[in-house]
Amino acid sequence: GENVEQHPSTLSVQEGDSAVIKCTYSDSASNYFPWYKQELGKRPQLIIDIRSNVGEKKDQRIAVTLNKTAKHFSLHITETQPEDSAVYFCAATTNNDMRFGAGTRLTVKP
Amino acid sequence: GAVVSQHPSRVICKSGTSVKIECRSLDFQATTMFWYRQFPKQSLMLMATSNEGSKATYEQGVEKDKFLINHASLTLSTLTVTSAHPEDSSFYICSAPKTLEAEAFFGQGTRLTVV
Repeated sequence: GENVEQHPSTLSVQEGDSAVIKCTYSDSASNYFPWYKQELGKRPQLIIDIRSNVGEKKDQRIAVTLNKTAKHFSLHITETQPEDSAVYFCAATTNNDMRFGAGTRLTVKP
Repeated sequence: GAVVSQHPSRVICKSGTSVKIECRSLDFQATTMFWYRQFPKQSLMLMATSNEGSKATYEQGVEKDKFLINHASLTLSTLTVTSAHPEDSSFYICSAPKTLEAEAFFGQGTRLTVV
């Protein structure tokens, strides 16, 4: 089955700096890659996603890149703010299931 | 976005008893629902994929006789933890995509404590 690896497990940045989280996947059949943000005690919420026929997608301060050949995708957050502090999960989806990476705990220091 | 409702949000039960957790899609039909288990400060571990009208697909290492999944309608999937033990204490959360290969919407999660 699909195996998703995510790095780093923790990331601390100063407010205003950029943050990058990277994921790799193993199943070449995976074709949809969402990123979720989970704040303490809350359910995960989708923040951005990308499909396998697209290499990059941007939404304001958030962008995602996908390299299908290398089977890796990354989340980029620019101009980080304290409210960006949360746990971020990447996921890879095939026709049958959605599997998550181990998560990255992002801390933005004011 | 779509709404997925999960109940109960918290439950405490005695060892040896069974607990049922419900996951409902309120404004769309969910042919597929996913059940995850999340330990403190850890990731969402896929337990099983629930398919309406057919048997659930369980991940390796997940006991299907212990974690009974029923997906009897297009809006409801249930997870029953049978003969619960303290090691089953965890956060269980469901999600449902409107269509496969699309955003999955999460329930609120259920904090299960077995005493």
